This record gives sequence, C-alpha cells and structure tokens, in this order.
Amino acid sequence: GESVGLHLPTLSVQEGDNSIINCAYSNSASDYFIWYKQESGKGPQFIIDIRSNMDKRQGQRVTVLLNKTVKHLSLQIAATQPGDSAVYFCAEKGNTGFQKLVFGTGTRLLVSP
Amino acid sequence: ETGVTQSPTHLIKTRGQQVTLRCSSQSGHNTVSWYQQALGQGPQFIFQYYREEENGRGNFPPRFSGLQFPNYSSELNVNALELDDSALYLCASSLDPGLAGGNEQYFGPGTRLTVT
Repeated sequence: GESVGLHLPTLSVQEGDNSIINCAYSNSASDYFIWYKQESGKGPQFIIDIRSNMDKRQGQRVTVLLNKTVKHLSLQIAATQPGDSAVYFCAEKGNTGFQKLVFGTGTRLLVSP
Repeated sequence: ETGVTQSPTHLIKTRGQQVTLRCSSQSGHNTVSWYQQALGQGPQFIFQYYREEENGRGNFPPRFSGLQFPNYSSELNVNALELDDSALYLCASSLDPGLAGGNEQYFGPGTRLTVT
C-alpha cells in the first residue's frame, strides 16, 4: 500500500540552528517528492521538490535529500528563523497515471527566538 | 500567495445536507485536485480534474463528486453529509500533467467544513 510517514511529530529548535525533518515512504515506484509548509489556517505552501533520479536538491536555505535505498527523504533548513515555525509535510507522487499526492501526517517545527 | 482561491472560507452544515465548495485555479493551470484534511492529519486525495473530466480518484465514496468548468475552475459536491466529513477541504491546481512542472501542485487556503 501507499504510505508516507514521519519519524518525529514535533521538532523544537533555537533560532539560527539548522533543522532536519525526516520522512519515510513505502512506495518504491514513486517518482516525485515534495515538501510543503503549512501555517495555521492556511493551505500547504510548496517549498521544494525532487525527482527520483536525483539524490539532492537545494533551494534558498533549504535542501532536500532523497535516499531511495532506504526510502527516506529529509528536509534541511539552514539558519532556522521564527517564521519557519509551521507543520511540514512530505508528499510523494505514486505510480498512477495522474498527479495523486500521498501525504504523511506532518512534523511540527517550533523555532524559539 | 499561490493565486488559487477557494470559497467559502468556513461553512457549517447539518448531517444529511449537501454542500458545494468552489475553487479557482492559478492562471495557466488546467488541472485541479481536491484533498480532504482532517484535524492533525495530512491531506487525503479525493479526485483530480483535467480538461473538465475526472482524471483519477482516491478512496472516497460516490457521494463526493466534482465538476470542472471551461475556465478550469472547479466544484466539489458532497451529498448526505456525515459528521466525519468535518475537515479542511483543499484544492490544488497544476499545469498539464504532460508538461515539465506538471507535478507541482499549488494549494488554495481551503474551506473549513463543520458538520453538526
């Protein structure tokens, strides 16, 4: 079956620290992965994506790492800021013919000043 | 902001009633997906519309139905509401599935539905 799970429901860090949010997925046929940030009362906001033919992709202050061998995905946030406080979801696009995203339950990131 | 809009923002309905939620996609996007997000959970895929036709469906019963219009806006209809239908309903728009970038889905703010 399809499932995307997260190891830690809550991650607390100090402002300026680097944050790492982890995600495990079960569908080895998934070819595309996305990280979303969701603030209270808002819809998920696209952060960064990665295709299955890549191991690493970098954006502004964020890096996504994909390890297909162990079916693991991580989001690294450099110099975490209070504005980064939110729930973070990883999602995978399965091997169906349409863009169905399978989401995990999310990790709450709390950044203290 | 993504440019995806949804209405209404909040809605309260009684069990057994019917509800229609609306979504306007981002300019240039012809694909709309609907998701249900229960409190404390990740979004769950309901279905997707591409060029006015349903292009895929998740594990939701037939009382969840939808439409897509020629301008690519979309509606989600839910009949015979149940208490467990209380959730945040999200729509996401994306480019043509066959194009580069077609996998990226951009979400609206959602409609909070409460069924009493």
